[in-house]
Amino acid sequence: GAVVSQHPSWVICKSGTSVKIECRSLDFQATTMFWYRQFPKQSLMLMATSNEGSKATYEQGVEKDKFLINHASLTLSTLTVTSAHPEDSSFYICSASAGLANQETQYFGPGTRLLVL
Amino acid sequence: GQQVMQIPQYQHVQEGEDFTTYCNSSTTLSNIQWYKQRPGGHPVFLIQLVKSGEVKKQKRLTFQFGEAKKNSSLHITATQTTDVGTYFCALGGGNTPLVFGKGTRLSVIA
Repeated sequence: GAVVSQHPSWVICKSGTSVKIECRSLDFQATTMFWYRQFPKQSLMLMATSNEGSKATYEQGVEKDKFLINHASLTLSTLTVTSAHPEDSSFYICSASAGLANQETQYFGPGTRLLVL
Repeated sequence: GQQVMQIPQYQHVQEGEDFTTYCNSSTTLSNIQWYKQRPGGHPVFLIQLVKSGEVKKQKRLTFQFGEAKKNSSLHITATQTTDVGTYFCALGGGNTPLVFGKGTRLSVIA
């Protein structure tokens, strides 16, 4: 089946630093990638939709200048959390899609746990 | 956008008991997907339902889509400790963002 990797799997950083998270589709080309965030014991919430070669579409309440998304190729999307603060500590999960709307599943990466001290 | 309500939020069962989680929407759904997330893990796709009244089975798991396509359920027969995790229903898929229910956290007491 389709595999999506995510790197790093966990990161601890000081407040004010920036953290880059990579999401790669390993064996398929992902037309669209999604970034979700999950706080402890909560559901996954969509942060942004990323299409290769175009600007990401952010959900309401997600600061585009704080969460920079770059989708430079059909197999790689990156999320950079700029000037991270403790409230940004969360589980960040990407997913990738190669299919048509509602006709294919999304394949999830293993997630990145971010802890901001 | 469309939303889905999922209940119960938590379910504790003895090993061997059955378990059911429900998702409901006020609007007609084009499809619904189900995911399982183990503690500390990421969501894993279980199944997609598309047709009205559809019933699909995966070993001890039975998935149903209501006749009106406004509700869905996941039923696990004779739970095992390996069933522990959070089960999410979700709307969307493919190149459409997923909208997740709040999830049902299942714990199984051996």
